[in-house]
Amino acid sequence: DGGITQSPKYLFRKEGQNVTLSCEQNLNHDAMYWYRQDPGQGLRLIYYSQIVNDFQKGDIAEGYSVSREKKESFPLTVTSAQKNPTAFYLCASRLRDRVNNEQFFGPGTRLTVL
Amino acid sequence: ELKVEQNPLFLSMQEGKNYTIYCNYSTTSDRLYWYRQDPGKSLESLFVLLSNGAVKQEGRLMASLDTKARLSTLHITAAVHDLSATYFCAVDIFRDDNYGQNFVFGPGTRLSVLP
Repeated sequence: DGGITQSPKYLFRKEGQNVTLSCEQNLNHDAMYWYRQDPGQGLRLIYYSQIVNDFQKGDIAEGYSVSREKKESFPLTVTSAQKNPTAFYLCASRLRDRVNNEQFFGPGTRLTVL
Repeated sequence: ELKVEQNPLFLSMQEGKNYTIYCNYSTTSDRLYWYRQDPGKSLESLFVLLSNGAVKQEGRLMASLDTKARLSTLHITAAVHDLSATYFCAVDIFRDDNYGQNFVFGPGTRLSVLP
């Protein structure tokens, strides 16, 4: 089955700890995205990558880092510099196609700081 | 800078009633997307509107796009409880260099359908 997977589904982080959220897709999509969603709020873009080995900061990149070494994978690291990381994190991907470029979402990772 | 607004942000309606959610955006675009999000879940794609005048329907939901007015509507007909969710619109501008601009999401409309 083609799709986007995120792991883990739930993640607990202690103060001062770095954690990495996984995002994998087998849709052969070019672009991948990370969003953060706080309770009752909309989506805010953290980082995005249009091609392998290239990524750009979104609106709220501070305290986060990413890599894009493979087309299928776009892991997000939440560093200790992110002061309020408790949120729902969504990964998405899409084709870089003029017509067929709908963005598809993974199931999400819920991160809680203890 | 592309801005996307939705109206209303909260909507409580009775089963069997009709209502419309509006999505306005600030920059010329010919593509708009509607998503549904259930509590605690991810976003599910509902409609992709790729041209002026596009209209799509699925069950009790119908979406339309007017690119000249920079407006999309999501019309709900004879609402049922199962439609209770948050609905997001998103706008995207595709650049000639094939690189594309990222989606910009609206704030979402939280819909509650009451029996």
